[in-house]
Parts: sequence; C-alpha cells; structure tokens
Amino acid sequence: KNEVEQSPQNLTAQEGEFITINCSYSVGISALHWLQQHPGGGIVSLFMLSSGKKKHGRLIATINIQEKHSSLHITASHPRDSAVYICAVTLRGAQKLVFGQGTRLTINP
Amino acid sequence: KAGVTQTPRYLIKTRGQQVTLSCSPISGHRSVSWYQQTPGQGLQFLFEYFSETQRNKGNFPGRFSGRQFSNSRSEMNVSTLELGDSALYLCASSLALFRADHEQYFGPGTRLTVT
Repeated sequence: KNEVEQSPQNLTAQEGEFITINCSYSVGISALHWLQQHPGGGIVSLFMLSSGKKKHGRLIATINIQEKHSSLHITASHPRDSAVYICAVTLRGAQKLVFGQGTRLTINP
Repeated sequence: KAGVTQTPRYLIKTRGQQVTLSCSPISGHRSVSWYQQTPGQGLQFLFEYFSETQRNKGNFPGRFSGRQFSNSRSEMNVSTLELGDSALYLCASSLALFRADHEQYFGPGTRLTVT
C-alpha cells in the first residue's frame, strides 16, 4: 500500500465547477505539499502546509492532521486548470518527499 | 531571477550506454534534489546534494549517481542503461538542505528514452 494515496486518479469537469482532490497518508509527516504539473513536465509548488488551511486565488488547500487527510479545492474552474495535481509529504524524521500518484484534471470549456 | 534549468531537455540512448544529465539551480540555492518520474511508479526521490556532498539517497541501484560542483550545479549519471530507466528526470533546488518547511523549485525535466 502506498504511503500517499490520492483520489480520484482522473477527473473531468465543466468550466466553472467546484473541484475537490483528496490526499490521504498513512505515516507521520512534517509537511504536506500540493504540486501542479502541466503537460511537458514542469512542476510548480502550489501549497506547503502542516496545519489548517491556505488559500491562493481560486485554490484552497486544507489539512486534517488527526485524520491524515488533505484536500485541494479549485473554485470556478477554468480550462487552464487542466493539469496533473500531485500530493507529496515529508515523512517525519526523513529529509525527502514521498509522492502520491497524481490526479489528472481536465476542465472542458 | 532565472529558474531551475536542466539540459538536455530530451535524450535518446541505447540500452547499455551511460548518460549524464545537468541541473543548474536558482542563483543562491545550494541544495539540489533529483527525482525520477515514470508512468508506473510516479515520482520517486533519487538523491539530494548540498555543499558538494550527497546528503540523502532514495532506493535506487548504484547505477544512479550524481555530483555537485562548487557553483551548486549538479549532474546526474546513469550507467549501463536499462529500458526501465526511460523516464522524466526532474531536479529541484532550494535555499538550504532539505527541510519540511523549505519550498523546492522544480526544473522542466529531462525526458530520457532508452531503446
């Protein structure tokens, strides 16, 4: 079983819809990261959080440490949000990132 | 400020050959981490270099190695290439040695195809 599990693996929605991507982990962590990867490969760090909630524009990330769960929300989704979203965690006591398998999001106009 | 750059962007090699990939971090960043991304395994940590020393290593065979120069530029080498080494290789830089609260900045990646 992977230490980091994301759901869904694939998500297709219409422009304007509210999007939720989930991430669950089974180990103790120091921080959780949400990354965005566009076709072509480049990765951008969206959020880094260890508690609570962070918001940046139309993106919101939340984490529940007790339940070992995080969600990434996109409000008023747009075709340019189409990308792979990857959840990654820093294992407590380790100095490296462990990644989920990613969620491929497609927003249709 | 220029971002993380990786060269070459695309590479085709034959099984059994060796390959060297290069990563130039953001100016002022001293830590460089390398990752492998494949459709089957996703993203996996290879190793991290800081101050010209390997500080952390993932679960990869000894055919995968790297080094870092005094200007923080890093190279990754894979010897005796196998078909399964076909992947996108990403490097990421950060200001200091990896910490949970340090943001990493990723390069565009080098897509390696082994035939």
